This record gives sequence, structure tokens and C-alpha cells, in this order.
Amino acid sequence: DTAVSQTPKYLVTQMGNDKSIKCEQNLGHDTMYWYKQDSKKFLKIMFSYNNKELIINETVPNRFSPKSPDKAHLNLHINSLELGDSAVYFCASSQAGQGFSYGYTFGSGTRLTVV
Amino acid sequence: GQNIDQPTEMTATEGAIVQINCTYQTSGFNGLFWYQQHAGEAPTFLSYNVLDGLEEKGRFSSFLSRSKGYSYLLLKELQMKDSASYLCAVRDRDYQLIWGAGTKLIIKP
Repeated sequence: DTAVSQTPKYLVTQMGNDKSIKCEQNLGHDTMYWYKQDSKKFLKIMFSYNNKELIINETVPNRFSPKSPDKAHLNLHINSLELGDSAVYFCASSQAGQGFSYGYTFGSGTRLTVV
Repeated sequence: GQNIDQPTEMTATEGAIVQINCTYQTSGFNGLFWYQQHAGEAPTFLSYNVLDGLEEKGRFSSFLSRSKGYSYLLLKELQMKDSASYLCAVRDRDYQLIWGAGTKLIIKP
């Protein structure tokens, strides 16, 4: 199936640990994103990345880093996890130049709980 | 700053019609999206408006007035499965999506 897939779906870890969330899209899109959805349900952009440019939301701590081995993958690595990092993280992708009418396709989300 | 405002929660009855409003103030405008998000799931695309007027797609319609910075999502013949959050998002002049916090819609029998 064509989709945006991210793993794991659930992640429970202790403070101070380092963890990664993986994302892959087989839609042929040229841009991928990481969003954080907090308890108030706001979707906040963390990163957007295509093969030309990484755009970082300046409010994102540098403990968070995107890693893209190729245009179909954008993984999220988090160092020294903190309690406030607990949230749902969504990966998404989009394709520029197709009329912009389809917005983003989202992965199913990773619920991160830091204890 | 940029902001998107929509009601936090709405309640409606199965079979009825509900209108979810969204007002926005953004740096430029390159389209407005409505997404549906069921609890614990990813947002899914519902509609896109870039010109003023009404876009109809089955039971769902979306309206846009750019001069008023206003949109609404109209849901007809409500079904229990329509219980979800509805997110309004505006693409600004830099083609970045600015998201509202979503409206939680509760459908009662």
C-alpha cells in the first residue's frame, strides 16, 4: 500500500535516554515533515526537509535532530529525553508542484511517553 | 503573529447538520485545508479551498471567504462515525501550514 509509515507506534522510555523514530514514505513525495502534537492537540511543525533544504523550527531543542538517509526516509532522533517530550509525533509528506491541493499525508503517529 | 481560531468542542445529533467555523490571521494565504482526526489516529485530508466559495464533497462541504479570513466545514446527515476532531489549517505565503487546535465534534444518538 502507498502510505507514510512510522515506527514504533508506542514508545515508553526513561528520562535521559536517547531514542529514534523512523519514518518512510512510498508516495514519491519530495518533502517530509515531523510534527509534535501535544496534550492540547496543537500540531506543531518541528522540521521540514527535502533533498535541498532542512528547515528547522527554531523553538525545537537541539536534542531533536532529523536524519534522512534518502528522500523516502526521515527519521527523528532525540537525545537526553525529558518528561516534557511526551507527546504524539507525526511524520508527514507532501509533493510540491501538483497544485498544492492535497496538503500532507500523515503517518499513524508515535506516542512517546517519558517516565 | 499567525493564528487559527476554531471552537474547542461542539455537540450535534445523529442525522443533523453541523457547521464548524474557522477564522484565521496569517502572513499571506495559499489555501485552506480541513482535516479529520479520530482519537489516536493520524489526521486525514478532507477538503481544500483556495478561492472564495463553497466546495462540496458528498456529505461534507467547505466554504471560504478570503476577505473575511473565514472558513467553515459543513457536515450533513451526521453519522456516529463523524465523531472526531476537525482541524483547520492555512498555508501561508511561505507555503508553511499553520494549524488550528481542532474542534472536537461529539455526535449523540
